[in-house]
Amino acid sequence: EAQVTQNPRYLITVTGKKLTVTCSQNMNHEYMSWYRQDPGLGLRQIYYSMNVEVTDKGDVPEGYKVSRKEKRNFPLILESPSPNQTSLYFCASSLGGGQPQHFGDGTRLSIL
Amino acid sequence: DQQVKQNSPSLSVQEGRISILNCDYTNSMFDYFLWYKKYPAEGPTFLISISSIKDKNEDGRFTVFLNKSAKHLSLHIVPSQPGDSAVYFCAASEYGGYQKVTFGTGTKLQVIP
Repeated sequence: EAQVTQNPRYLITVTGKKLTVTCSQNMNHEYMSWYRQDPGLGLRQIYYSMNVEVTDKGDVPEGYKVSRKEKRNFPLILESPSPNQTSLYFCASSLGGGQPQHFGDGTRLSIL
Repeated sequence: DQQVKQNSPSLSVQEGRISILNCDYTNSMFDYFLWYKKYPAEGPTFLISISSIKDKNEDGRFTVFLNKSAKHLSLHIVPSQPGDSAVYFCAASEYGGYQKVTFGTGTKLQVIP
């Protein structure tokens, strides 16, 4: 079954404590991306990756890091989380950036 | 600067009637557009897309119309069904495939039985 898997699904943590949200896809897609969803703001792209070792900033990259060492994995790293990063996060993958994306089920992060 | 806008946060439609969801964009370099549907507690799922070389694309009950001169696209659902109740996002990207994707703010559709 074609899947994008995110972990964890829910996380409550405190300001400044580094965290990583993992994302894995089994469709051999080259393009992967991270979004955050906030009320009234829709989905905003954080980072995207066009292939292994190739990443670029989306619209809201501040405070986030990513890496793409393998084709299937695209972790999102918050080195020093702050309360304004409390949000619902989605990972997605596709054959290309403009192509239909497959989304994970989301990770709800609460930073206290 | 919101380059993709969905000005109606919500829409209610009777079952069997037509639902029309609208999306406006400002970036004239966008030439590939997609609609996604999102249920609560799930990720968005792809619904239908259109490239700028077309002005209409149909898939079953779903039709997307693109008016390039007005920088406007719309999604028509006919007939609307209760299972269509969800949040709908339009998204746009510049052609070439490996580009940034910009989403709208979403429209919550409620189809009343």
